Amino acid sequence: GAVVSQHPSWVICKSGTSVKIECRSLDFQATTMFWYRQFPKQSLMLMATSNEGSKATYEQGVEKDKFLINHASLTLSTLTVTSAHPEDSSFYICSANRGTGKGEQFFGPGTRLTVL
Amino acid sequence: DQQVKQNSPSLSVQEGRISILNCDYTNSMFDYFLWYKKYPAEGPTFLISISSIKDKNEDGRFTVFLNKSAKHLSLHIVPSQPGDSAVYFCAASVGAGANSKLTFGKGITLSVRP
Repeated sequence: GAVVSQHPSWVICKSGTSVKIECRSLDFQATTMFWYRQFPKQSLMLMATSNEGSKATYEQGVEKDKFLINHASLTLSTLTVTSAHPEDSSFYICSANRGTGKGEQFFGPGTRLTVL
Repeated sequence: DQQVKQNSPSLSVQEGRISILNCDYTNSMFDYFLWYKKYPAEGPTFLISISSIKDKNEDGRFTVFLNKSAKHLSLHIVPSQPGDSAVYFCAASVGAGANSKLTFGKGITLSVRP
């Protein structure tokens, strides 16, 4: 099956610092990756679509200068939360589609961000 | 406006019985539907999907039924096992390509009692 990894799995940082989260597709190439966030007992909310070699597409209401996305290769996308504040504390999850036409996205294990 | 709705937040069933998880959608453009299983602090795991050209898809203990006219789908798990206890998310997309975005419901917490 398709494997997607994320690093780190959890991070605690001080308010005002920036945090980078990596998402890797381990056994397939992904021209497109997706970034979600999930608040407790809520659904997964799509933040942005990450496209290899081009700018990310952000969903309405998501600040692109706050959540910087870079998709430098076919197996790696990064999300940087800049100048993090306590309200940015959440569970961030990435996913990728293998492009087989079957539509299913394979998700990483998620990153728990806590901003103090 | 929620386009994918899972109106029941939780479901409890006895081991060995059938679990039926329901999902409704409002966007008639959706033509691909998926079910994911999620444990706390982990990413969702893909279970089963169905295209709008079908009304049923089966994979082992899991069957998904689609009623396009009612904009309703359901996931049946038979027989239910304690290891099935998790949160189940229904998701929908327009198309099944690599760029297709998924819209998720809020999830249903399934508890299977031994």
